[in-house]
Amino acid sequence: GAVVSQHPSRVICKSGTSVKIECRSLDFQATTMFWYRQFPKQSLMLMATSNEGSKATYEQGVEKDKFLINHASLTLSTLTVTSAHPEDSSFYICSASGSDWEQFFGPGTRLTVL
Amino acid sequence: QKEVEQDPGPLSVPEGAIVSLNCTYSNSAFQYFMWYRQYSRKGPELLMYTYSSGNKEDGRFTAQVDKSSKYISLFIRDSQPSDSATYLCAMARGAQKLVFGQGTRLTINP
Repeated sequence: GAVVSQHPSRVICKSGTSVKIECRSLDFQATTMFWYRQFPKQSLMLMATSNEGSKATYEQGVEKDKFLINHASLTLSTLTVTSAHPEDSSFYICSASGSDWEQFFGPGTRLTVL
Repeated sequence: QKEVEQDPGPLSVPEGAIVSLNCTYSNSAFQYFMWYRQYSRKGPELLMYTYSSGNKEDGRFTAQVDKSSKYISLFIRDSQPSDSATYLCAMARGAQKLVFGQGTRLTINP
C-alpha cells in the first residue's frame, strides 16, 4: 500500500502556542487529504478535507480559524493548531487518497498541550 | 443516533478462537464498507473493504455486508495474538468521506 508519513509523531507545547503538523504522501500524488482527530478510546472524527490548491472544507463544529489547513502540493498538507489549549490535546491523524477512493493513513501525531 | 454504531468492547478471546466483530448503521446511502485495524498509537490500516452487499474473504478474514439489515461483520478465524488491536468499521456514501465506528478493542490471549 501507499505510504503516508506524519511529523512530528509527538509534540508537547504550552497553552497559547501554535503547533504545525505535517502530512506527506511518500510514493503517490494525493489529490485529497483528510485530517482526523481521535480522543482516547474513541473513534476517528473527520475534521476537514483538503484538495491540493484549494481551501479546506471543514466539518461542522470544527473552527477553521483554529485549525488551519494548507494543502500546498500533491504530497504535502499541514495542520496548524493555533493558540492551542489543553482541550486540543488529542491524537491527530491524516490520510491521503489519490485517484481512487482508498485513503491511506499516517501514523498519527500525539499533541499534548500543557 | 450515531450514523455508525460499534460495540467498543473490550473483547478478549483465547488464541485460535473465531472472532466476530459487528457494526450497525442508519444511513442507507452507504455503499462502501471497510474494516480497519489500528494498533496502539498508530494510524489505521485497511484490512478489507466491500462495495455494496455480499461477502468477501481474505485469508483468515471474512467481511460480510447485509444492507437490508444495515449490519456488517468481520470474522477472524484461527485468531492469533498478533491480531490484538482495535478494529474500526468505516463506511462511505460516495468515494471518500468515511464515517467510522467507535472501534472494538480486541485481545487474543496466548
